[in-house]
Amino acid sequence: NAGVTQTPKFRVLKTGQSMTLLCAQDMNHEYMYWYRQDPGMGLRLIHYSVGEGTTAKGEVPDGYNVSRLKKQNFLLGLESAAPSQTSVYFCASSGSGETQYFGPGTRLLVL
Amino acid sequence: ILNVEQSPQSLHVQEGDSTNFTCSFPSSNFYALHWYRWETAKSPEALFVMTLNGDEKKKGRISATLNTKEGYSYLYIKGSQPEDSATYLCALGGSGGGADGLTFGKGTHLIIQP
Repeated sequence: NAGVTQTPKFRVLKTGQSMTLLCAQDMNHEYMYWYRQDPGMGLRLIHYSVGEGTTAKGEVPDGYNVSRLKKQNFLLGLESAAPSQTSVYFCASSGSGETQYFGPGTRLLVL
Repeated sequence: ILNVEQSPQSLHVQEGDSTNFTCSFPSSNFYALHWYRWETAKSPEALFVMTLNGDEKKKGRISATLNTKEGYSYLYIKGSQPEDSATYLCALGGSGGGADGLTFGKGTHLIIQP
């Protein structure tokens, strides 16, 4: 039981490049989330999903897209990366909509 | 957007001492309050979820209380140990209880000095 895993662990992008961050969970959770962590800020919600095939915007959705084609996976896409998207990205999942279980994070640097 | 405030921002405590810190939040439209423990280079780990005014939860030497009428929660650590060093996050769940995501405070960074 791996819990929540994230791929990749670290990535460097040039401005304008695109990439997809993958989150996978093996706990059969309905709810999944993407947060970003920046210095001096709390974790901020980017997008979330309350079930397979559904997604919704969080607090800071601009510049990101998400997809939940399979229940166990939640993908976060950056179509045209900007330096402001340099951050640590955390995925989380929840079965009940209460306690969230976090992945190890993806560190992204946009030059 | 909910405003979740945590204080102090950082705290140095001698090993063996007890300590506590605060999470403040809007008292209106309260649904759930979460505490997480976040060690460096690891993922945030859930400690407690509290929903009722007057709730008290305990896990080993760590406990938490909730006052929804005045909009605060305290986290207590009794007899601090070096392994308690971490950032402690407080988060509010919205009307979905947390299903629609959590609003986090900036955390209290706790350092236990041997």
